Amino acid sequence: AQKVTQAQTEISVVEKEDVTLDCVYETRDTTYYLFWYKQPPSGELVFLIRRNSFDEQNEISGRYSWNFQKSTSSFNFTITASQVVDSAVYFCALSEARQAGTALIFGKGTTLSVSS
Amino acid sequence: EAGVAQSPRYKIIEKRQSVAFWCNPISGHATLYWYQQILGQGPKLLIQFQNNGVVDDSQLPKDRFSAERLKGVDSTLKIQPAKLEDSAVYLCASSFVRRGRSGANVLTFGAGSRLTVL
Repeated sequence: AQKVTQAQTEISVVEKEDVTLDCVYETRDTTYYLFWYKQPPSGELVFLIRRNSFDEQNEISGRYSWNFQKSTSSFNFTITASQVVDSAVYFCALSEARQAGTALIFGKGTTLSVSS
Repeated sequence: EAGVAQSPRYKIIEKRQSVAFWCNPISGHATLYWYQQILGQGPKLLIQFQNNGVVDDSQLPKDRFSAERLKGVDSTLKIQPAKLEDSAVYLCASSFVRRGRSGANVLTFGAGSRLTVL
């Protein structure tokens, strides 16, 4: 069965600190996709990144970076030099390549609070 | 490009009453999803449509929840009768289907409809 676990419920940091959000997934498929979404206080889920199971190359985009390791089934997300605007709930999600339009399975989310 | 539109944003009802939520996806997106997000939890899929056909409704409580997608565009999610545990945010999302890359679709979400059942 597919499952996404975000063990960190809440994280609080001070502005400019680096913070890493953990994500561990379970799937029996060899082809799958991993996602991170951000949910600010307004409530709308915003797409951040997608990774497929064949691409373990880590990525950096501005202050964001992602570390995908199939050996440990982890897809962690790091924010460098955090800012107050980064305060939100962050969700890791999994999608399997079984059919077109396969839905996402979400973790429970990690609430990040960045104070000034 | 216009986003996913949902209404109403907020609804308060008594238990055993009925409620309906409406969603208008992004133009051209064949796949539409309804998710339920209970406070403090991640979104859980209720139903997935592709065009006007149901792809997955395995987690939809069919004794009280129903959904339809008219002409493969707009969708309505109905709850009748509502229970206290149905208090949640109902999120609609849509995606463009990419041939040969199933599972890769990026879902675009609406702002959600917050339901409170008293």
